[in-house]
Amino acid sequence: ILNVEQSPQSLHVQEGDSTNLTCSFPSSNFYALHWYRWETAKSPEALFVMTLNGDEKKKGQISATLNTKEGYSYLYIKGSQPEDSATYLCAFSHQGGKLIFGQGTELSVKP
Amino acid sequence: GAGVSQSPRYKVTKRGQDVALRCDPISGHVSLYWYRQALGQGPEFLTYFNYEAQQDKSGLPNDRFSAERPEGSISTLTIQRTEQRDSAMYRCASRKQGAGANVLTFGAGSRLTVL
Repeated sequence: ILNVEQSPQSLHVQEGDSTNLTCSFPSSNFYALHWYRWETAKSPEALFVMTLNGDEKKKGQISATLNTKEGYSYLYIKGSQPEDSATYLCAFSHQGGKLIFGQGTELSVKP
Repeated sequence: GAGVSQSPRYKVTKRGQDVALRCDPISGHVSLYWYRQALGQGPEFLTYFNYEAQQDKSGLPNDRFSAERPEGSISTLTIQRTEQRDSAMYRCASRKQGAGANVLTFGAGSRLTVL
């Protein structure tokens, strides 16, 4: 059974705060870890995909790291803005190609 | 096409009716995935295809659910004898290859309501 866990389930921060979201996944048969951003009433949009242990990716003020040996990834948002409010989803795939999503972390950034 | 297209966008049906949901992936995308998403939840895997071959259908809840992609492009998810618990957003996504390093592009979804 492939289980992807995300924490926290929800997060409320003030504008300018930095946030750290966690995704844990099975460390065996790892192939790739994805992060998606999902705004209500829209479709999830890809942020990053990482495949190698120690990978770090960055897009603007958002960055992600990957530890495949211990089975976790962090998504870090520096200086959160109200427009960063969304649900952040991580997804894990093993070599079979099946992509399993976590339940997401709902981030709310108040001005 | 330029994006992943799903139809219908909204479907209201009565319990016991069959429904067919269609997905037209990005042209040239090898892999096509079906997910079900409840409000406030992450996408729940249903099934996926590489070309016309169904690679994994372990997420289909029961034998009322089936999917096909006969020519390796458009896919149809069929739900027979619908029940109220089938009400959800059904999302299709495609990607260039089956390898895990390629991201998914999602369609807008088909919202199914079973009365």
